[in-house]
Amino acid sequence: DQQVKQNSPSLSVQEGRISILNCDYTNSMFDYFLWYKKYPAEGPTFLISISSIKDKNEDGRFTVFLNKSAKHLSLHIVPSQPGDSAVYFCAAIANGNEKLTFGTGTRLTIIP
Amino acid sequence: DSGVTQTPKHLITATGQRVTLRCSPRSGDLSVYWYQQSLDQGLQFLIQYYNGEERAKGNILERFSAQQFPDLHSELNLSSLELGDSALYFCASSVDVLNSPLHFGNGTRLTVT
Repeated sequence: DQQVKQNSPSLSVQEGRISILNCDYTNSMFDYFLWYKKYPAEGPTFLISISSIKDKNEDGRFTVFLNKSAKHLSLHIVPSQPGDSAVYFCAAIANGNEKLTFGTGTRLTIIP
Repeated sequence: DSGVTQTPKHLITATGQRVTLRCSPRSGDLSVYWYQQSLDQGLQFLIQYYNGEERAKGNILERFSAQQFPDLHSELNLSSLELGDSALYFCASSVDVLNSPLHFGNGTRLTVT
């Protein structure tokens, strides 16, 4: 049972435009969400997070939006840069549970 | 550089064999996590240790075991290996237990032939 879903395996975006990566979850106990970025031959690196008490968190070019009623979150990257080409994983954690549950990832390609 | 060190980077072995993957967490981090990533799959949580004690268990097979030593490094032991165990195995560490971002190593790629 995939509790965190990233339904788009891949996404291509023109350099300078906005990249929007989506993530859906099914477990209503999740209350903290994170995005990780992964380059080939490297481990995932933490990008940005959001607590369920917020609906938006911004860090430079990266903004994460959380819609609790829809059990949906998205990562916006603007403007997109070639260095943003990577696989992006959405992850979630439930209060009182240390296990981080990951989605299957979305491969983002920025076209110069 | 995340500060998490995993060795070896690559491992090729035959079915039925046993291997040990090693992880050194970031300095100061007490929690160590092990994840498995198979082809085209997300990261599957295997097990977590906090300061030497097992804290949480995920989809870890009985053929697999792990431990965290007093110096906080961790080892993941995989035995009676099968072809389906071929995957990337990631170790991650964090300073706190709850809501702390995980810092991942670069993984060990295991190939079972």
